Amino acid sequence: KNEVEQSPQNLTAQEGEFITINCSYSVGISALHWLQQHPGGGIVSLFMLSSGKKKHGRLIATINIQEKHSSLHITASHPRDSAVYICAVRSHGGSQGNLIFGKGTKLSVKP
Amino acid sequence: EAQVTQNPRYLITVTGKKLTVTCSQNMNHEYMSWYRQDPGLGLRQIYYSMNVEVTDKGDVPEGYKVSRKEKRNFPLILESPSPNQTSLYFCASSTQDSYNEQFFGPGTRLTVL
Repeated sequence: KNEVEQSPQNLTAQEGEFITINCSYSVGISALHWLQQHPGGGIVSLFMLSSGKKKHGRLIATINIQEKHSSLHITASHPRDSAVYICAVRSHGGSQGNLIFGKGTKLSVKP
Repeated sequence: EAQVTQNPRYLITVTGKKLTVTCSQNMNHEYMSWYRQDPGLGLRQIYYSMNVEVTDKGDVPEGYKVSRKEKRNFPLILESPSPNQTSLYFCASSTQDSYNEQFFGPGTRLTVL
C-alpha cells in the first residue's frame, strides 16, 4: 500500500465547477505539500501545510492531522487549471528532507 | 530572476556511458533535491542535500551519485546508466529543508538505450 494516496486519479470538470482533490497518508507527518504540474511538464509549489487551512486566490488547501487527510479545493474552475496536482508529505519518521509523493490527480477543465 | 536550471534538458545516451546532469540555483537555498518521474509511479526522491557537503539518500538512490561542493550546484551523476534509468528528472531547491516551498527546475528527459 502506498503511504500517500490521492483521489480521484482523473477528474473532468466543466468550467466554473467547484473541485476537490483528496490526499490521504498513512504515516505521521510534519508537513504536506501540494504541487501543480502543467501539461508542459513544469512543476510549481502551491502550498505547504502543517496544520489548518491556506488560501491563495481560487485555491484552498486544508489538512486534518488527526484524520491524516488533506484536500485541495479549486473554486470557479477554469480551463487553465487543467494540470496534474500532486500531494507530497514529509514523515515524522523519515530522514530530514525526505519527501514521499502521491501519484497525482489529473484534472481537465472543459470550457 | 530566481530560478533553478538543469542541463541538459534532453539527453539520449547508451548503456554504460557515464553522464552528469547539472542543477544550479541562484536563490542561496540550503536544500536541494533530485527526483525522477515515471508513468504510473509518480515522483520519487533520489537524493537530497541539506547544505554544502551534506547529502542523503532518498527512496530510489541505486545507480546514482551526487555531490554538493558549492551551495548553488547539485549535480546528478550516473556512473553506468542502464535502460531502467530512462526517466524524467527534476531538481528542486528550497530554504532550510523540505518544510518550505520548493522551486523546481524545468526537468531533464533522459533516454538510455
